[in-house]
Amino acid sequence: GDSVTQMEGPVTLSEEAFLTINCTYTATGYPSLFWYVQYPGEGLQLLLKATKADDKGSNKGFEATYRKETTSFHLEKGSVQVSDSAVYFCALVTGTASKLTFGTGTRLQVTL
Amino acid sequence: EPEVTQTPSHQVTQMGQEVILRCVPISNHLYFYWYRQILGQKVEFLVSFYNNEISEKSEIFDDQFSVERPDGSNFTLKIRSTKLEDSAMYFCASRQETSNTGELFFGEGSRLTVL
Repeated sequence: GDSVTQMEGPVTLSEEAFLTINCTYTATGYPSLFWYVQYPGEGLQLLLKATKADDKGSNKGFEATYRKETTSFHLEKGSVQVSDSAVYFCALVTGTASKLTFGTGTRLQVTL
Repeated sequence: EPEVTQTPSHQVTQMGQEVILRCVPISNHLYFYWYRQILGQKVEFLVSFYNNEISEKSEIFDDQFSVERPDGSNFTLKIRSTKLEDSAMYFCASRQETSNTGELFFGEGSRLTVL
């Protein structure tokens, strides 16, 4: 079946540091890939997505590139801010199935 | 901006009791979902609902669980007789378009604690 593996957290960074959160997947079909974010006290929000190989999703300074050869969709940001502190979830959907398969989530804590 | 709302935000219940978690999806959305996340574990799919019936459910969604859209706006998850292992954060989500690349809009979650 489909699965998503994320790096374990928590990840603690100083403001303006470079962020990478690794995500790899296994899927029976050709998935679409997503990053969702959950800020404290809020619901899951779509951060970015990519629907085919080599697509780059980007939003709010975050980027992720769909790498079919390595089955990866790593999340990156060049300079994090305290306001980026949240839990980040990698997810995929395949074929006509409408349900998302999530990773465990990675908590990011950014300090001054 | 339209949003998915969930109530209660936190519920504590005794084992064996019935629990109903409520969700108000975005008004023009057609697909509705429940997910859960046990502390420290993955966000897991429970059930999807479309056109007033379950379209897909996971093996977690056994006879103790049921969903309903009683009045055209609310979407509820009922756990008939809660177990300790039902303690989790439950997320409701909705989606409008039929494309499988469509975005799901999630609520803030309802934390269920079973004692």
